[in-house]
Amino acid sequence: GENVEQHPSTLSVQEGDSAVIKCTYSDSASNYFPWYKQELGKRPQLIIDIRSNVGEKKDQRIAVTLNKTAKHFSLHITETQPEDSAVYFCAALSSGGSYIPTFGRGTSLIVHP
Amino acid sequence: DGGITQSPKYLFRKEGQNVTLSCEQNLNHDAMYWYRQDPGQGLRLIYYSQIVNDFQKGDIAEGYSVSREKKESFPLTVTSAQKNPTAFYLCASQHYQEGNEKLFFGSGTQLSVL
Repeated sequence: GENVEQHPSTLSVQEGDSAVIKCTYSDSASNYFPWYKQELGKRPQLIIDIRSNVGEKKDQRIAVTLNKTAKHFSLHITETQPEDSAVYFCAALSSGGSYIPTFGRGTSLIVHP
Repeated sequence: DGGITQSPKYLFRKEGQNVTLSCEQNLNHDAMYWYRQDPGQGLRLIYYSQIVNDFQKGDIAEGYSVSREKKESFPLTVTSAQKNPTAFYLCASQHYQEGNEKLFFGSGTQLSVL
């Protein structure tokens, strides 16, 4: 089955800095890669996703890059703000295949004012 | 998201008691999932269902049971065999449609042991 590794487990930055979270996956059949943000006690919310036919996708301060050959994808947050503080999860799944998502273990991002 | 509802928000279980967590969706999604989340931990899959009247064990199914009698509903029972049930439980649903396979989560149930 699929295995998703996520690093780092904790990331502490100063407000205004950039933050990068990296994930690797093992199953070459995976072709859809969503990122979720979860604030304390709340549900995970989809913040951005990317498909395997695209190398990069951007939405304001958030971007995701995908390297299919190396089987890794990364979340980039620029100009971080205190409200970006949360746990971020990456996932991989085979759309058109099993559809079952495999999640990374999460990264706790702390943005210091 | 408004289309998937979990209840109750908080639940307390006495020793030896079975409790049931509700999950309902009106998104006409094919698949539904139950995850367990412990403090500071990731999402661990308990059970999932891809079609009505069928469900599969996830990574940590022991001590839990589910049913999928209707497409809209996927209740989770935490049985007395689950010795450490205190956790945050998340339900999710998903279309099985390429290009429309985003996972939507409910707002969660915090289960605690009295």
